[in-house]
Amino acid sequence: AQTVTQSQPEMSVQEAETVTLSCTYDTSESDYYLFWYKQPPSRQMILVIRQEAYKQQNATENRFSVNFQKAAKSFSLKISDSQLGDAAMYFCAYRTFQGAQKLVFGQGTRLTINP
Amino acid sequence: DTAVSQTPKYLVTQMGNDKSIKCEQNLGHDTMYWYKQDSKKFLKIMFSYNNKELIINETVPNRFSPKSPDKAHLNLHINSLELGDSAVYFCASSGQKSFGLGEQYFGPGTRLTVT
Repeated sequence: AQTVTQSQPEMSVQEAETVTLSCTYDTSESDYYLFWYKQPPSRQMILVIRQEAYKQQNATENRFSVNFQKAAKSFSLKISDSQLGDAAMYFCAYRTFQGAQKLVFGQGTRLTINP
Repeated sequence: DTAVSQTPKYLVTQMGNDKSIKCEQNLGHDTMYWYKQDSKKFLKIMFSYNNKELIINETVPNRFSPKSPDKAHLNLHINSLELGDSAVYFCASSGQKSFGLGEQYFGPGTRLTVT
């Protein structure tokens, strides 16, 4: 079974600085998807960024980018120019390419933005 | 327009009661899910339906019974509620690859409190 590990329960960063959230996963599959979701205090789950495992190019969405290291099974999220609205829980998630499409989540990282 | 909606958003009830949570999506997706987020924020899949057919049934007590009357709706009925059922329950939906990478879109969650 696949597992996802986020080793940083909490992180903090100064506004306008850059922060990187770590995620590692374990799988025997070669094709899969990886996602980062954001959960602000409103508790709404918001998709931040996605990555297909067969693509070597790292995904980027505005201030959010990932560092996908397939061999190391690592999928970190970099937030540039941090803003107060980025404060939230961030969840890394794995989805198998075929078959049951459930998301397997990491434990989450609580990100605090210091003004 | 709300893409994935859940009712109610808050539910407070006593032990032993039976309650239902409803979910509707207007995205045209054919797969819907129920996730449970516990007090430590950990998210885990409970059930998934594809075209009204149950495809994922994780280790969940029999007191939990999902029902999908059509592709756009997935309800969760819980019998004989227990204190440990207190959590936030999320509904989500996803489409075929034509909709993107099969990423899942979440409802606002239902906070269930059992007293």
